[in-house]
Amino acid sequence: GAGVSQSPSNKVTEKGKDVELRCDPISGHTALYWYRQSLGQGLEFLIYFQGNSAPDKSGLPSDRFSAERTGGSVSTLTIQRTQQEDSAVYLCASSLDGQVSNQPQHFGDGTRLSIL
Amino acid sequence: SQKIEQNSEALNIQEGKTATLTCNYTNYSPAYLQWYRQDPGRGPVFLLLIRENEKEKRKERLKVTFDTTLKQSLFHITASQPADSATYLCALVDAGNNRKLIWGLGTSLAVNP
Repeated sequence: GAGVSQSPSNKVTEKGKDVELRCDPISGHTALYWYRQSLGQGLEFLIYFQGNSAPDKSGLPSDRFSAERTGGSVSTLTIQRTQQEDSAVYLCASSLDGQVSNQPQHFGDGTRLSIL
Repeated sequence: SQKIEQNSEALNIQEGKTATLTCNYTNYSPAYLQWYRQDPGRGPVFLLLIRENEKEKRKERLKVTFDTTLKQSLFHITASQPADSATYLCALVDAGNNRKLIWGLGTSLAVNP
């Protein structure tokens, strides 16, 4: 399929470990977004990549969170020294360009992260 | 600060009826508003986008209205089917950061056969 692909779909790890989540956007989409969705909460913006521009990291909740996007395609979100409050579904989306207001975002099915 | 509100209570309707979901926003005048559908365990799926100068937009059994005076969008599903059961989210761009969308918490719709 040509949709956004995320891996792993589920991740269970112990508190204090590092985790890496992967997102493969739709080919040709220049914009990529990471969100966090906790139970009963709305989608929380984490980070935005657009082409070769510097990413907008304003939504990252702490310096334990980082993300990169290599070659304008695949992105990885890394959480270091995980805490229990990091448990959530992490969603990745891509869009054709960076006009956020009027461009549909195409989502993957997320990685469900559980911190024991 | 900017806020989006959607009906927090789940909406239960009978198959064949029209479902109407509400999205209210405050402290902002967005040029566009988007609606998405989310099924359990899946990512949101884009449904419709409406511009501020469009009073209404339709796609098959879906209709969205945008009232910039009331600061409200209504999302209608006509001739509803059990397969329409899902959570519906509205989103608009953050007034302070045009690189991010702000999302409502969503309204859960259940269509009973």
